[in-house]
Amino acid sequence: GEDVEQSLFLSVREGDSSVINCTYTDSSSTYLYWYKQEPGAGLQLLTYIFSNMDMKQDQRLTVLLNKKDKHLSLRIADTQTGDSAIYFCAESNGNRDDKIIFGKGTRLHILP
Amino acid sequence: KAGVTQTPRYLIKTRGQQVTLSCSPISGHRSVSWYQQTPGQGLQFLFEYFSETQRNKGNFPGRFSGRQFSNSRSEMNVSTLELGDSALYLCASRVNPDAKNIQYFGAGTRLSVL
Repeated sequence: GEDVEQSLFLSVREGDSSVINCTYTDSSSTYLYWYKQEPGAGLQLLTYIFSNMDMKQDQRLTVLLNKKDKHLSLRIADTQTGDSAIYFCAESNGNRDDKIIFGKGTRLHILP
Repeated sequence: KAGVTQTPRYLIKTRGQQVTLSCSPISGHRSVSWYQQTPGQGLQFLFEYFSETQRNKGNFPGRFSGRQFSNSRSEMNVSTLELGDSALYLCASRVNPDAKNIQYFGAGTRLSVL
């Protein structure tokens, strides 16, 4: 069935760039999302990309999509302590009753 | 515009009891989805409601049920609670269940079963 995979942990020094990777299996994925979850909170939509795009930039965030390899990444420039959170990759398409499939999340830890 | 509102934020119940969680979607959103989040299993989809009808269902036992009202508010019920039901329950709303519509999440209800 459809699956979304992410590494569980990432440690980055404050000020460096963080790159969180995600792979998915459904070749008909149309929409791909990144959500952020801070402790004790729900999921906050960070950014999304349509499958007909390769890249999307929004301030410190850059999303890269390699559709051939079914690989999505989120780059956070100049990582700050406030970026410490769990980041979820998710995908959906219209052929699967519009269900959204989430990865298990990557916990980003910021080193001083 | 108010976001997705979930009540209560925290609940403590004992095994065998039942619980009802509530979700008010963003104004104008008619689709509501429920997820269970646990450290081991991540985010697991429970069900989605649209126009008072269950549209999609995840792989959960029949103890988990839900409904949606005409004002799009949704409730989720868990009967005969088990220890393993302890989790963060998240509700998300979107305009309608079209893949291009983004889901917005509430802060969740943290359920502890003792």
